[in-house]
Amino acid sequence: GAVVSQHPSRVICKSGTSVKIECRSLDFQATTMFWYRQFPKQSLMLMATSNEGSKATYEQGVEKDKFLINHASLTLSTLTVTSAHPEDSSFYICSASRRYRGEAFFGQGTRLTVV
Amino acid sequence: SQQGEEDPQALSIQEGENATMNCSYKTSINNLQWYRQNSGRGLVHLILIRSNEREKHSGRLRVTLDTSKKSSSLLITASRAADTASYFCATVWNRDDKIIFGKGTRLHILP
Repeated sequence: GAVVSQHPSRVICKSGTSVKIECRSLDFQATTMFWYRQFPKQSLMLMATSNEGSKATYEQGVEKDKFLINHASLTLSTLTVTSAHPEDSSFYICSASRRYRGEAFFGQGTRLTVV
Repeated sequence: SQQGEEDPQALSIQEGENATMNCSYKTSINNLQWYRQNSGRGLVHLILIRSNEREKHSGRLRVTLDTSKKSSSLLITASRAADTASYFCATVWNRDDKIIFGKGTRLHILP
């Protein structure tokens, strides 16, 4: 399968600071990337859909001003958690897909801890 | 929003036994996928079954799909300790390739 690289795998930051997470498709062009958040012992919740060259579409209840998504190229999407709070501590996972192929490939995830 | 519901939420069985997990969903789908996640780790893609398929096998895994009932099952035969993990079904909707995950089943294989 295709490879999606997510970086960093772990990050600890102070409250009030911003953190950027990168998601790269290494061997294919991803027309769409998705960002998920997972709290302990819970499932993955879709946060937003990111299409190259256009604004991200956020799921209901997700603050777009807090979770900034940029999909500047067909191989890179970034998620920036702005003004992070301890309640933003979570596991964030990205996935990348090729349009209408119905298959997506997941990054390794980023564990964010806000102290 | 989530549209998949796994059943049971947690399952403990003896090593060597078969484990069956079920998943139900709500809307039309392009395909349904099963993933495994070890505690605190990333996702491992197990198997994908398309909406026009009814059954699929991969090693010790057997997946069925009933689109009329909007349900799927994952059977793991001859379970091993290494199968201990959370298992999620995920559906891909036709229109936008979104993958929506169910709540998951936590499987624990007892030695």
